[in-house]
Amino acid sequence: EIVLTQSPGTLSLSPGERATLSCRASQSISSSYLAWYQQKPGQAPRLLIYGASSRATGIPDRFSGSGSGTDFTLTISRLEPEDFAVYYCQQYGSSPLYSFGQGTNLEIK
Amino acid sequence: QVQLQESGPGLVKPSETLSLTCTVSGGSISSYYWSWIRQPPGKGLEWIAYIYYSGSTNCNPSLRSRVTISVDTSKNHFSLKLSSVSAADTAVYYCARVQRNNYGLPYFDYWGQGTLVTVSS
Repeated sequence: EIVLTQSPGTLSLSPGERATLSCRASQSISSSYLAWYQQKPGQAPRLLIYGASSRATGIPDRFSGSGSGTDFTLTISRLEPEDFAVYYCQQYGSSPLYSFGQGTNLEIK
Repeated sequence: QVQLQESGPGLVKPSETLSLTCTVSGGSISSYYWSWIRQPPGKGLEWIAYIYYSGSTNCNPSLRSRVTISVDTSKNHFSLKLSSVSAADTAVYYCARVQRNNYGLPYFDYWGQGTLVTVSS
């Protein structure tokens, strides 16, 4: 079973700053199988990034994803007020077929 | 624009069966895989199972013995049954579409709004 560990658990930043969120896998995974989601309170997760670095439809270009092997990163270049939320990484392919990280809470400083 | 809507009882008694339906609108259920994912209050996401419109399924091993997932293409919906529930099954249950590409079924691109199911007597 592949475990995804996200860090930090909570990230406190101000609008306009750069956010860097980490997702580490317990075993190497294909970058094609790594996705990122944003979840706001009371809402469903929204797909941001798939294939480690491809933005989903309608996602602003301030969101970018990178990484390979066991280390993946979600970067938000300049935080907007609507970006403060919980972010999850997700892997596909290992049993269970899909698993998620525990989330990073991006909060306003 | 594809939309998904979960429906079903919000309260289930311990040891009984949780039953939910996800209705797909704005597109056909055919040619796609569809999934259930849950989130206990204040916690992270757990994948439950998926079903193809043809009826083939895959399930999280941790839940396999209690999960039944089915699809009704004539009604454009799919369903989840989780048997022998306990308080640990209290969660927001989401349905989602699984995107298929050259690499398989790697992510979920459309989600329902979610429905809270509480297990309590």
